[in-house]
Order: sequence, then structure tokens, then C-alpha cells
Amino acid sequence: AQKVTQAQTEISVVEKEDVTLDCVYETRDTTYYLFWYKQPPSGELVFLIRRNSFDEQNEISGRYSWNFQKSTSSFNFTITASQVVDSAVYFCALSEVVSSSNTGKLIFGQGTTLQVKP
Amino acid sequence: NAGVTQTPKFRVLKTGQSMTLLCAQDMNHEYMYWYRQDPGMGLRLIHYSVGEGTTAKGEVPDGYNVSRLKKQNFLLGLESAAPSQTSVYFCASLRGYEQYFGPGTRLTVT
Repeated sequence: AQKVTQAQTEISVVEKEDVTLDCVYETRDTTYYLFWYKQPPSGELVFLIRRNSFDEQNEISGRYSWNFQKSTSSFNFTITASQVVDSAVYFCALSEVVSSSNTGKLIFGQGTTLQVKP
Repeated sequence: NAGVTQTPKFRVLKTGQSMTLLCAQDMNHEYMYWYRQDPGMGLRLIHYSVGEGTTAKGEVPDGYNVSRLKKQNFLLGLESAAPSQTSVYFCASLRGYEQYFGPGTRLTVT
């Protein structure tokens, strides 16, 4: 069965600190996709990144970086020099590739609430 | 393009009442999904559709029905609302490997 675990329920940091959000996943599929979404207090889901299972290169986008390690089934997300605007709930998710037997559905982790204090 | 829209944005129901949530997308996507979000549980799949006229159950389908009579619309129905259905409901459509989410519907059942 597929599963995503975000063990950190809530994290609180002070502005300018670096923070890493952990994500561990389980799947039997050899081809799959991993995602991170941000949900600000306004409630919408904001897509941050997609990674396919064959691409283990780390990615950096501004203050955001992602570390994908298949050996440990982890896809961790780091925010460098956090800002108050980073305060949100962050979801890690796993999806199966659409095929005759797969639906492309997303399996979400429980979410990590990040509070960045000024 | 409006993307994915959801109607209504907020609703309060009394136990036993019925209602329909509408999801509409103008991107000609085949696959559409309904999720519910509850505190501490992330989003869970209720029902999904792989094309017009087809629907299937997801992880938590009990108490819900769906219909996909038109490709652009995916309706989620609650026949007899229960307090356990208090949640935020998200609709999504799929293009390639990415799901496009609507803004959500916050439903409270008293």
C-alpha cells in the first residue's frame, strides 16, 4: 500500500532560521511522482514542486530546496532564511502514474504546520 | 481560463439535509477527483472519475455520491449530511502528472 508520513505535526521557528520539513513515503511502484504543496491561512493549495522517481537530483528554487533520496524513501523540504510569509501547512504527496490500473490519485501526508515568528 | 472552480465556497447544513457540491474545469481534463481535508489527516480521496459518464470510489466514499454527466463538471452529493462530514472539500483535475486544485468548499454540518 502507498503511504506518506510527515512525522512533524507542528514546527515553530524564528524568522531567518532554516527549517527542514521531513517526508517519508512507501510505495511498491517503480515509477511514481512526489509533490510538495503549501496551504497558506487563506486555505488554497499551492503547488511547489513535482519530482519523478527517476530523478534524484536535488532542486533549489530561491529559498526553497528539496532533497530526494530513494535509498531512504524520503523527500525532504528545506526553507532557508525563513520568513513570516512562509507560515502555512505544508503537504507532501505521492502519486501513481496514470495507467489502465492506476488512477493518478494523490496520497497525502498528514501535513506539517510551520509557524515563523518575527 | 478559470481553471478549477468550486461552488459553493461555504455552506452550513443541518444533520439530515442534502446538498450538492459542484466542481467545474475548463481545461478539458479527463480525470477529476474529490478529496476531503480533515485536521491532522491531510487530504483523502472520496471519489474520482476517469472520464465523462464514469465514476469510482476512493478511500473514503461512504455517505457520498458523485456524477460526471458532462466532462467539465464533477458533482459531489451528500444525501443525508452527518456531523462527521464537516470538512473542507477539494476538487481537482489532472493533466499529465499534475493535479489542479479548486479553492475548496468549507462545509459544516450541525
